[in-house]
Amino acid sequence: ETGVTQSPTHLIKTRGQQVTLRCSSQSGHNTVSWYQQALGQGPQFIFQYYREEENGRGNFPPRFSGLQFPNYSSELNVNALELDDSALYLCASSLEGQYTEAFFGQGTRLTVV
Amino acid sequence: EDKVVQSPLSLVVHEGDTVTLNCSYEVTNFRSLLWYKQEKKAPTFLFMLTSSGIEKKSGRLSSILDKKELSSILNITATQTGDSAIYLCAGTSGTYKYIFGTGTRLKVLA
Repeated sequence: ETGVTQSPTHLIKTRGQQVTLRCSSQSGHNTVSWYQQALGQGPQFIFQYYREEENGRGNFPPRFSGLQFPNYSSELNVNALELDDSALYLCASSLEGQYTEAFFGQGTRLTVV
Repeated sequence: EDKVVQSPLSLVVHEGDTVTLNCSYEVTNFRSLLWYKQEKKAPTFLFMLTSSGIEKKSGRLSSILDKKELSSILNITATQTGDSAIYLCAGTSGTYKYIFGTGTRLKVLA
């Protein structure tokens, strides 16, 4: 089991609402990435944070936003939830660098109704 | 557009069989190829491959990267029911982005 923890584990929200998901990175890791995994699909990159700044972003609209804190933990915020936002949201932490692997948390299962 | 394609999409084998999972990639500024095992939620890291032709092994699992063919394989020998999972392959572009395939769903029957 990795040292990456995510909360909550499950969440049900109504369309139009806002949600905040949280992630604590593995000890010593300074980089956090967020992924969205729809049912039957591979994880899709949302964005990455390094030293509290966004370090890269995938093809997600601006209503997906994030933060990284001085202790390297991170939040993913999604505004104006849509039904298609229902998915498993995975957080991955890593050491910044070209050849370092990422370690994933257990994920947050978000259901939008 | 960057993409990673895995095959087969699903596979059913019996305990003791050997399986080979395939991954092909088209990733701009390719850096490395990673394999993960996903049983319930968290993908678990298996291998990272950066150099072509070098085999990485861990117990019954092994993987090799072919940069010329832009592909990688993951072999599992003497499969066990505990190997049942989704196996994900990801290519990395630069230092931040993993591009995942859809995964191969492996089911090992007792």
